[in-house]
Amino acid sequence: DQQVKQNSPSLSVQEGRISILNCDYTNSMFDYFLWYKKYPAEGPTFLISISSIKDKNEDGRFTVFLNKSAKHLSLHIVPSQPGDSAVYFCAASGGNEKLTFGTGTRLTIIP
Amino acid sequence: DAGVIQSPRHEVTEMGQEVTLRCKPISGHDYLFWYRQTMMRGLELLIYFNNNVPIDDSGMPEDRFSAKMPNASFSTLKIQPSEPRDSAVYFCASSLVGQDTGELFFGEGSRLTVL
Repeated sequence: DQQVKQNSPSLSVQEGRISILNCDYTNSMFDYFLWYKKYPAEGPTFLISISSIKDKNEDGRFTVFLNKSAKHLSLHIVPSQPGDSAVYFCAASGGNEKLTFGTGTRLTIIP
Repeated sequence: DAGVIQSPRHEVTEMGQEVTLRCKPISGHDYLFWYRQTMMRGLELLIYFNNNVPIDDSGMPEDRFSAKMPNASFSTLKIQPSEPRDSAVYFCASSLVGQDTGELFFGEGSRLTVL
């Protein structure tokens, strides 16, 4: 039972364009959402987060949008750079210590 | 700080053998987590500790898996006996506060292959 879903296993975007990564969740108890980035042979690193009391959080080139009614969040990267090529994991938690991750989306930025 | 340190980075073993993965969390962090990454299921939480005490092990697949944290600077994840379906990358992570509000710091992972 995958409570956090990333339905696109991969995404290719031209350098300089916007990258949009999507994530859906099923558990209405989730109230905090995070994105992690992972390079090959490294552990995931925290990128950006958003609380359910907000619908947008921005940090430089990265913006996360949350649509609670649709149980959907997205990560926007603009402009996309070659160094953004990585696997991106969406994660969610619901008032306890557990962090539930999605399966990841591999983003490739084309120079 | 050196970050979360995991060993071994790679382990190849035969079915039925015992496997022990090790983790040293970041000094001062009071939470430690063990995750497993597979293509089908992404990152799965296996177990986590708070101040060396196991809090939730509901993600541990079966009795073949066990984890310990004898002190604040060391944890092990043991699989005995190992099976081919245990092949995955196992990550250890630590944090200062509960993961739902605080950032998790991951190690580089231990890639396990069971033949």
